[in-house]
Amino acid sequence: EVQLLESGGGLVQPGGSLRLSCAASGFTFSTYAMSWVRQAPGKGLEWVSAISGSGGSAYYADSVKGRFTISRDNSKNTLYLQINSLRAEDTAVYYCAKRGASGKGGCFDYWGQGTLVTVSS
Amino acid sequence: DIQMTQSPSSLSASVGDRVIVTCRASQSISNYLNWYQQKPGKVPKLLIYAASSLQSGVPSRFSGSGSGTDFTLTISSLQPEDFATYYCQQSYSTHTFGQGTKLEIK
Repeated sequence: EVQLLESGGGLVQPGGSLRLSCAASGFTFSTYAMSWVRQAPGKGLEWVSAISGSGGSAYYADSVKGRFTISRDNSKNTLYLQINSLRAEDTAVYYCAKRGASGKGGCFDYWGQGTLVTVSS
Repeated sequence: DIQMTQSPSSLSASVGDRVIVTCRASQSISNYLNWYQQKPGKVPKLLIYAASSLQSGVPSRFSGSGSGTDFTLTISSLQPEDFATYYCQQSYSTHTFGQGTKLEIK
């Protein structure tokens, strides 16, 4: 059974930093690209960042480019998101999501339960 | 960047109704279009991938169609558990979600 478990969220002051983690199990982690998707309170889904299975390629939404860094440790089956220079508008639930197998159109077929990041003074 | 526009933003319907949600991409995305359902306080759930393929375990009353820039999600006969928010997502060039369509009980 595929499981994705995020951690690392919390309350942080504007300008602060956090590192989110997503522990994966139930599939061959290194085979699949992974993404982070966030959802601000009462708002829609926003894709934030993606990383290839090997970790060699990373992609970012314009809204976070230069402040967020995605990475992965395939030996630990763990995905990370380093978030710097936090702003109030970064307040959201952050989900990690597994990309579907080849031929499934780049969908996200499994999602974690999410971790809440709150940016406030 | 590719923009995704869903319509309507909200929709009221009754159990048994046939409902159609549309999604338009700002440029051609072939069939790299996916649909998700999200209920309040819950994690998004994949319904349809590659525009028209039903994800395993999803009821057959859900269907998707389209290619290029225009796509639709159809629920053939609404059930009480279908009242939720629906999102389209393009995966042709990185990823972008539509703004969502909230389906409410009439």
